[in-house]
Amino acid sequence: DAEITQSPRHKITETGRQVTLACHQTWNHNNMFWYRQDLGHGLRLIHYSYGVHDTNKGEVSDGYSVSRSNTEDLPLTLESAASSQTSVYFCASRPGGGDTGELFFGEGSRLTVL
Amino acid sequence: DAKTTQPPSMDCAEGRAANLPCNHSTISGNEYVYWYRQIHSQGPQYIIHGLKNNETNEMASLIITEDRKSSTLILPHATLRDTAVYYCIVPINNAGNMLTFGGGTRLMVKP
Repeated sequence: DAEITQSPRHKITETGRQVTLACHQTWNHNNMFWYRQDLGHGLRLIHYSYGVHDTNKGEVSDGYSVSRSNTEDLPLTLESAASSQTSVYFCASRPGGGDTGELFFGEGSRLTVL
Repeated sequence: DAKTTQPPSMDCAEGRAANLPCNHSTISGNEYVYWYRQIHSQGPQYIIHGLKNNETNEMASLIITEDRKSSTLILPHATLRDTAVYYCIVPINNAGNMLTFGGGTRLMVKP
């Protein structure tokens, strides 16, 4: 079955380290998204991509970067992790097109920055 | 932006219908209303969406008012497993149909 997977599911790192969270989908979806969710809050959009080599900033993009070298993957990189980036990160994808369509979410990656 | 407003929390008795309201008074004519839910710490799950007409699927019904300024998600027979945070979302047309999740409504289904 097609799916969307995130790795690692749990990560503990230190302030200043570079961290990359992987997101891989097998639906051949054009649109991919990264959200973060802090305790007791809704999801906030970090970055998104509408296709290969396309990337766009969301509402909380500072300190994060993404790249889209193929359809299946949208890795999220924290260049220099900060304690404020401790959060749960969700990747999502959708086919794209006129109707926005259904977003499919991964299971989340819990990141702790000490 | 077509922002949405939802009550922060609601309770519902098991087996009864859960009616979750959402206001989206600034919605544009071609913008859809989407509903998602998030159970505990899992990734959000799509429920249903609509434009003008009422919609129904195996999970829920969506009632959209004629002026499209508000909608109601109906879970006809709520179960304990429906306890979750429910998000009403109107994708932003002038921002590539980006989906922005607000605080949602925390629905507690009680025995």
